[in-house]
Amino acid sequence: EIVLTQSPGTLSLSPGERATLSCRASQSVSSNFLAWYQQKPGQAPRLLIYGASNRATGIPDRFSGSGSATDFTLTISRLEPEDFVVYYCQQYGSSPLTFGGGTKVEIK
Amino acid sequence: QVHLVQSGGEVKKPGASVKVSCKASGYTFTNYGVNWVRQAPGQGLEWMGWISAYNGNTKYAQRLQGRVTMTTDTSTSTAYMELRSLRSDDTAVYYCTRGGLGTVTHSDYWGLGTLVTVSS
Repeated sequence: EIVLTQSPGTLSLSPGERATLSCRASQSVSSNFLAWYQQKPGQAPRLLIYGASNRATGIPDRFSGSGSATDFTLTISRLEPEDFVVYYCQQYGSSPLTFGGGTKVEIK
Repeated sequence: QVHLVQSGGEVKKPGASVKVSCKASGYTFTNYGVNWVRQAPGQGLEWMGWISAYNGNTKYAQRLQGRVTMTTDTSTSTAYMELRSLRSDDTAVYYCTRGGLGTVTHSDYWGLGTLVTVSS
């Protein structure tokens, strides 16, 4: 099973700043099948990025994904108030699919 | 637009079973699969398994193997997830999500979730 480690656990930033979230895999993710999800309190997760760098439908271009093999990054170029929530990475290159433990982006 | 409408919350006793439904609309049901994901209170996300709505092929998380069964009814575009021998640590919100057709893939649309509470 591929273990995904997200860092930091909590990221304290101000609106307008740039956020860089990391997701490290215990082994190489096949075909860079890595997704990022955003979860607001009391809501279901929402797909942001798939295939490491492809934005999902309707996702603003301030969200971008990069990386390959074992190291992946979600970047939010300029934080909006609604972006201060939790983010999860997921690998779907091999079964079982696994999620990282999440990064909470909070207002500094 | 794509909608996944899940059944309502359930309260079950330890050892019982629960069956959660997920009715899909806004797309051709048999062109995709369904992933089930759960989230214990205050915790992260856990993938439970996948079913192809085209041919019923399944893949389950090993830790749930033997306790979980996923099925679909193509006549009503509905997916089902049954979990048996419930324990207190099965208390969670259960999400159905749209996934890949022939293989497990990411989840591009999510239901609102069904809270299953296991308590004596």
